[in-house]
Amino acid sequence: GAGVSQSPSNKVTEKGKDVELRCDPISGHTALYWYRQSLGQGLEFLIYFQGNSAPDKSGLPSDRFSAERTGGSVSTLTIQRTQQEDSAVYLCASRATGVEPNQPQHFGDGTRLSIL
Amino acid sequence: GQNIDQPTEMTATEGAIVQINCTYQTSGFNGLFWYQQHAGEAPTFLSYNVLDGLEEKGRFSSFLSRSKGYSYLLLKELQMKDSASYLCAVSGTDSWGKLQFGAGTQVVVTP
Repeated sequence: GAGVSQSPSNKVTEKGKDVELRCDPISGHTALYWYRQSLGQGLEFLIYFQGNSAPDKSGLPSDRFSAERTGGSVSTLTIQRTQQEDSAVYLCASRATGVEPNQPQHFGDGTRLSIL
Repeated sequence: GQNIDQPTEMTATEGAIVQINCTYQTSGFNGLFWYQQHAGEAPTFLSYNVLDGLEEKGRFSSFLSRSKGYSYLLLKELQMKDSASYLCAVSGTDSWGKLQFGAGTQVVVTP
């Protein structure tokens, strides 16, 4: 498809389990971002990847969170030993190549994660 | 620190005008974005301002004053489909477009 694709759209799991969330960015976009959105809140930055450079992990809330981006395209966000406070919508966005600041981020529909 | 403030909720009548304000304090500034987000959907890009002044795009306009750390989004001729959350986001000096988001303003359009 032409847009950012995320899977699964919904995930329900038990506390303590590990989960993997997937993001397929728009083809050719070299920048990829992960955000978390809790109910009624704004977007909380988690991590971003910029081409082949080291990712900016400054927003990851704990060492239970990690992310990879393989081949400069698909990204996976992994949450280990999930806690109830991890329940949120996880949004992925990608951005076109280049340094023009006016290039917007394009978002996927998100994965709604519920921890029981 | 970094802070972006916008009202939590605004209500307006169909056909009216609503102005959503956003104030920001960030360590660097490389532009301000407005996004629209309908419930359960992805945020979609509305506008970008980096210079002072008003940018108009159809029924939507966005204004920026860098010296005041202030922006607003103006929605004219409101339609029911404009009921959504509007997110203000600031791009810092990071050249790869890392954004700091406000909590969003829920706009409710009534008949």
